[in-house]
Amino acid sequence: DGGITQSPKYLFRKEGQNVTLSCEQNLNHDAMYWYRQDPGQGLRLIYYSQIVNDFQKGDIAEGYSVSREKKESFPLTVTSAQKNPTAFYLCASSISGDGGQNIQYFGAGTRLSVL
Amino acid sequence: QKEVEQDPGPLSVPEGAIVSLNCTYSNSAFQYFMWYRQYSRKGPELLMYTYSSGNKEDGRFTAQVDKSSKYISLFIRDSQPSDSATYLCAMKTSYDKVIFGPGTSLSVIP
Repeated sequence: DGGITQSPKYLFRKEGQNVTLSCEQNLNHDAMYWYRQDPGQGLRLIYYSQIVNDFQKGDIAEGYSVSREKKESFPLTVTSAQKNPTAFYLCASSISGDGGQNIQYFGAGTRLSVL
Repeated sequence: QKEVEQDPGPLSVPEGAIVSLNCTYSNSAFQYFMWYRQYSRKGPELLMYTYSSGNKEDGRFTAQVDKSSKYISLFIRDSQPSDSATYLCAMKTSYDKVIFGPGTSLSVIP
């Protein structure tokens, strides 16, 4: 089945620790995205990538880092510089980037909590 | 003013009711309009996609876009308990990233 796989489903971070969230897609999509979802605030864009080895900051990139070494994979690292990391993190992909309809498809999410 | 506004609810209706969910927006350049359904602790799934103005129907769901009023709607006919979820509107211009509304929480009571 084609889709987007996020892991782990639940993740706990200790003070000062970096943690990495995994996102893999087998849809052959060029573009991938990371969003953060907090209650009542909707989806906020952290980073996005329209092509391998290239990515751009979204609206709330501070305290996060990404890489795009393979078309299928777009991991997100939540660094110790992110002081309020508790949230639901969603990965998405689309056939292409900003141009055109850009319908995004989402993974099941990772819930990150601070210990 | 936020680019996309949506009443967060919660909206509670009896089973079988017609549900109307709405979003308003400020950017007249938006051309692509989407509705996503998100069950609790799950990722959003695409329900409806519309380009420019007009109506689009898919089973019990109808999406409506009124660009002159900068207003979009999602209607759910014969609502079911399984429709209980958060509904997110989303929209974009032809060249920029997608903007999501904050979502409306819907409960359909048996």
